[in-house]
Amino acid sequence: AQRVTQPEKLLSVFKGAPVELKCNYSYSGSPELFWYVQYSRQRLQLLLRHISRESIKGFTADLNKGETSFHLKKPFAQEEDSAMYYCALSEPRSGYSTLTFGKGTMLLVSP
Amino acid sequence: DGGITQSPKYLFRKEGQNVTLSCEQNLNHDAMYWYRQDPGQGLRLIYYSQIVNDFQKGDIAEGYSVSREKKESFPLTVTSAQKNPTAFYLCASSTGFKAFFGQGTRLTVV
Repeated sequence: AQRVTQPEKLLSVFKGAPVELKCNYSYSGSPELFWYVQYSRQRLQLLLRHISRESIKGFTADLNKGETSFHLKKPFAQEEDSAMYYCALSEPRSGYSTLTFGKGTMLLVSP
Repeated sequence: DGGITQSPKYLFRKEGQNVTLSCEQNLNHDAMYWYRQDPGQGLRLIYYSQIVNDFQKGDIAEGYSVSREKKESFPLTVTSAQKNPTAFYLCASSTGFKAFFGQGTRLTVV
């Protein structure tokens, strides 16, 4: 069963427009969720973590347990935000934690 | 730009041959992981290891094998039993909640 769902393969917006990348999860316990980002020709890297409740590069994400969602938002998109974004869920396996990723959403911000 | 080093960046092999992908880390992390990244599939977990001499199968372990003889190293062998080995392979290590990724190895089997 898919545990992390990112329904959009591609999201294309104009610079200055609001952005929302959707992520839904299925998990019976208390989830720990993350957003990872991969810019062109760069390594996959952590963008933000739900527990920290911080804003990174203008992005925020709120965990909604009722809707089992963890959508990533930014009020005004910039061209440098163009990248592949992955939502990830930390879940225990064999007593340890592993990351389960969604299929990713490519964000393209046009000038 | 150290941390996690994967080598080589590109690898070509003939069908039916085993091939080993290297992953080394100098971050002193206990946990290491191998993911396979395919277009439209995201990252899928192949194997993971939390301590030396111990590793566990992930979601798509069939046709792959690993070893963890040293804390710094977690090589992945793609065996001839793997039906679709051509892919991009990512290695990662983690401390606490944060995972650090290598730059990946693109394997092409011809």
